Amino acid sequence: AQRVTQPEKLLSVFKGAPVELKCNYSYSGSPELFWYVQYSRQRLQLLLRHISRESIKGFTADLNKGETSFHLKKPFAQEEDSAMYYCALSQTDKLIFGTGTRLQVFP
Amino acid sequence: DVKVTQSSRYLVKRTGEKVFLECVQDMDHENMFWYRQDPGLGLRLIYFSYDVKMKEKGDIPEGYSVSREKKERFSLILESASTNQTSMYLCASSPQRAQGRGYTFGSGTRLTVV
Repeated sequence: AQRVTQPEKLLSVFKGAPVELKCNYSYSGSPELFWYVQYSRQRLQLLLRHISRESIKGFTADLNKGETSFHLKKPFAQEEDSAMYYCALSQTDKLIFGTGTRLQVFP
Repeated sequence: DVKVTQSSRYLVKRTGEKVFLECVQDMDHENMFWYRQDPGLGLRLIYFSYDVKMKEKGDIPEGYSVSREKKERFSLILESASTNQTSMYLCASSPQRAQGRGYTFGSGTRLTVV
């Protein structure tokens, strides 16, 4: 069955520290993966998707098919990065979400 | 600029009541979705619709039904509300064959069943 696993519920770092939010998936076929972010009192919104291989707000994520992972990384965390982050897998037109990781960035 | 509108931000209902959650999108999207968001459980798909009058069960449809009479509106119905349906409900829409791209979410309805 298709599944997305985010092993960390909470990740706390200090400003300027590197950040890595882990995401592993199980999918039979070629997956399309996404990272969504929800800032406090805001809507859930797309952060980035693997197919576009872009960097958004300094975040990057590389699809590793061998390890079935799609970890989200940023070299230097900022306080405004504090939010809830969800990894998601596309199954036709549906999105399957992980359980989310809350990132706290302390000053 | 609001593109997916959920009619209520907060709702408090009594156990056993029939509850309607409304969602309207103005982007002419074919696909619409209802998720519930719970701490530690993430977003779980309740129901979705790829077209008017069409509906498909998601992962947790028990205790819910939906209605899509018009393309822009997708309603979630709790036939007899129970306390375990206390949650944040998120509506989303996307274009057809978007393969997960182009999802737009509403701001959510926080439902409390007492």
